[in-house]
Amino acid sequence: KAGVTQTPRYLIKTRGQQVTLSCSPISGHRSVSWYQQTPGQGLQFLFEYFSETQRNKGNFPGRFSGRQFSNSRSEMNVSTLELGDSALYLCASSLEAGGGNTIYFGEGSWLTVV
Amino acid sequence: AQSVTQPDIHITVSEGASLELRCNYSYGATPYLFWYVQSPGQGLQLLLKYFSGDTLVQGIKGFEAEFKRSQSSFNLRKPSVHWSDAAEYFCAVGPILTGGGNKLTFGTGTQLKVEL
Repeated sequence: KAGVTQTPRYLIKTRGQQVTLSCSPISGHRSVSWYQQTPGQGLQFLFEYFSETQRNKGNFPGRFSGRQFSNSRSEMNVSTLELGDSALYLCASSLEAGGGNTIYFGEGSWLTVV
Repeated sequence: AQSVTQPDIHITVSEGASLELRCNYSYGATPYLFWYVQSPGQGLQLLLKYFSGDTLVQGIKGFEAEFKRSQSSFNLRKPSVHWSDAAEYFCAVGPILTGGGNKLTFGTGTQLKVEL
């Protein structure tokens, strides 16, 4: 069974550009969440989607957005990139939302903003 | 607000020695607890989780963790460390209610170095 798949794995963008990251959850999983990992702030929750609806949102500016498709695949978008957006973006999936469901993470997308 | 504290930023142990990584949490009710491991340049791999029941849980790679409600702790242990265990370890807490979402709060991580 394939794990959580994130694309692209590595990318470099220029300040002011926008970026879209993709996440394919484990087959059958309906909950997808996103995290940002930086050396300074650690792992921070961005948002969570379940059945195409955003259920939770972290404390990030509106430049960070996401969506989930009917096949549970998810994308996140960051507009007007800033140097501080350079980070590892991790996607996680689980069967359902909460209730003790195991949460699995992908390998992440490394974003560098120059 | 929920929080997770991993008091040890760096730990160095000799190969073959025992290991204990500390994790303390603050949560309004019995939480859902995880330990993840991250190797350099990689994502997070689940080691084990505690949901309910037996407070001593077994995980992969020979790791175990014990949930102690009275101490709000969920420490990770391994009897004999291997050089390949060198990595960063994260403790996390999440909501236990069905439908309560999957927002995890992570500790700051403990970097484990293994001396040969």
